[in-house]
This record gives sequence, structure tokens and C-alpha cells, in this order.
Amino acid sequence: DAGVIQSPRHEVTEMGQEVTLRCKPISGHNSLFWYRQTMMRGLELLIYFNNNVPIDDSGMPEDRFSAKMPNASFSTLKIQPSEPRDSAVYFCASSLLATQVLFFGPGTRLTVT
Amino acid sequence: GENVEQHPSTLSVQEGDSAVIKCTYSDSASNYFPWYKQELGKGPQLIIDIRSNVGEKKDQRIAVTLNKTAKHFSLHITETQPEDSAVYFCAAPPGGWGKLQFGAGTQVVVTP
Repeated sequence: DAGVIQSPRHEVTEMGQEVTLRCKPISGHNSLFWYRQTMMRGLELLIYFNNNVPIDDSGMPEDRFSAKMPNASFSTLKIQPSEPRDSAVYFCASSLLATQVLFFGPGTRLTVT
Repeated sequence: GENVEQHPSTLSVQEGDSAVIKCTYSDSASNYFPWYKQELGKGPQLIIDIRSNVGEKKDQRIAVTLNKTAKHFSLHITETQPEDSAVYFCAAPPGGWGKLQFGAGTQVVVTP
């Protein structure tokens, strides 16, 4: 199994630009999570989906952030417009419902200048 | 909501010695307690977990202990090796289900 796949691995963009992060979960997994990691705030859950349905988006910082999961094998996290404080590593993780065991992707390092 | 506190933030040990990391949680409904290891440039990876119906679980050189009354759980690494150097995170699920709340992490450095 290829594991959780994220793209791009690195993204550098200017303030105000739109950023789209992509995730392909492990085949067969039915829960998907987006986490953000920074030195100051650690690992923060942004949003998670069960069976492609958003369950909890209370961690999404503000309206500039949005996430979608159009099917079981693909999810996106979009930031529009981006700001320097959005600079972080964004992780996607997937799991089988009821196991609570998360499999993390390699992350996307986002730098907003 | 769940509050997970992790100590220490950094831990330096001599190769061969033991390392212990402790976490406390606030939500009595939490019933699952995993530990993740994150190596530089990679995503966290589960190394061991424990559910609330047991007090201890071992897997080779690592073990986790749980005290539900006191609401704390610990990771024990024995006979540490250089490849154990990484950041370790504890976690717990608020309300006992769904998402995981992670601790702040412990940077472990194993010196030869």
C-alpha cells in the first residue's frame, strides 16, 4: 500500500494567493482528517470527515479555510486568500472508522510570504 | 473539551538508558490512548496504543501504562537506541470517539 499521499510536498506562495492542498487516503479507509502543525500550536485538528461527510470543522481557523471530500479517495484543503500566519505543515491522515488509528501522510510544508 | 498535557517537552538520555514521557487528560469519557512517533520531515506514526480496559501494554522495548483514576498515561522506552531519537506525541479522543487531541510533544534525544 502506498500510504496516505499528499501533494504538493512543498508550497511557497505570496500573501493573498489561493492555495490548494490535496490528499489521497489509504484505500478502504473511511475517515479522513486534516491537521496543521506549527511550533507554537503543535498539532491542531482542522476538520475531519466520516464516509466523505464533514463531521467536525470547529478547528478551521476562519472562513478563508475550506475543505472538501468529493469521493472516498480524494480530499482538498483550500486557503483563500492565504496569509503569512498560515505558514505551517499540513497533514492529512486517514483511518478505518471505529479503530481510531490514524495513518498520517508526509505533509505539505506551506510557506506564505 | 479535552485537554491533553504532556511532559517533559525535551528529554535527553544516554543510549541504553530508559525514557519515560507522561501525559494527563481531562475528559473522563476518553477511552483510547495512543502514542505517535514523528521523525524529522515525516508524519507522525502510531507506535503503541492502549484502551481503557487494560492498565499496561508492552511491545518489545516500548510500553504504555494507564491510570484512569488519576487520568494519566505514560510511555516507557527501555534500552534506548539512537533511532529512538524523535518527537513523541500522546493523544486522547474528546468524548471518547472520533477525533484525537494531541499533546504538545516531547523531543527525545538519545546520545551515544
